[in-house]
Amino acid sequence: LAKTTQPISMDSYEGQEVNITCSHNNIATNDYITWYQQFPSQGPRFIIQGYKTKVTNEVASLFIPADRKSSTLSLPRVSLSDTAVYYCLVGVGNRDDKIIFGKGTRLHILP
Amino acid sequence: GAGVSQSPSNKVTEKGKDVELRCDPISGHTALYWYRQSLGQGLEFLIYFQGNSAPDKSGLPSDRFSAERTGGSVSTLTIQRTQQEDSAVYLCASSRLLSATNTGELFFGEGSRLTVL
Repeated sequence: LAKTTQPISMDSYEGQEVNITCSHNNIATNDYITWYQQFPSQGPRFIIQGYKTKVTNEVASLFIPADRKSSTLSLPRVSLSDTAVYYCLVGVGNRDDKIIFGKGTRLHILP
Repeated sequence: GAGVSQSPSNKVTEKGKDVELRCDPISGHTALYWYRQSLGQGLEFLIYFQGNSAPDKSGLPSDRFSAERTGGSVSTLTIQRTQQEDSAVYLCASSRLLSATNTGELFFGEGSRLTVL
């Protein structure tokens, strides 16, 4: 699985757009980029996944440049309930591969 | 059930005792993963199963830890002679095969919180 680097923590305010960038310089051709969200005392949950360009769902958008060496998770108009840890994963397992979570980005939304 | 089920949700044990943690994955999910998360820390990979086999056991912290999966379904994580540093939340996740129509998303259980006194 490709190694990922993302900020340890971020603060933002309610109503703002939050962008969390993840670096993955050694991403492989077949690798997907997946983001998970974890609230305190819960297991992580899937947010969004993409391979290239832009993906949008009801929760977030994922921007992936042409070289795919980084990706940006965009959360529109955050609220206090978006306070969580966000993990970027590259490679997507279940192909005889273990799935390693990095340390994630601890996002703190302020009122 | 509809989701990944883990039991017990909480376990308090004395140092030196053995514990068993159970994970019941979503029906039809071929892959099953165990992680450990200490307070305020990230997820530490322990082991994963593809069917009943575990291709990579390198994440298990010591030989006191073992895991098995039977019938391609339920998995048990066993910790022998527990130590205080084993205290953590143990999370289980399952997934289907990555395909053109499936993201290979991990579905997590609520975890088993282990406290070793």
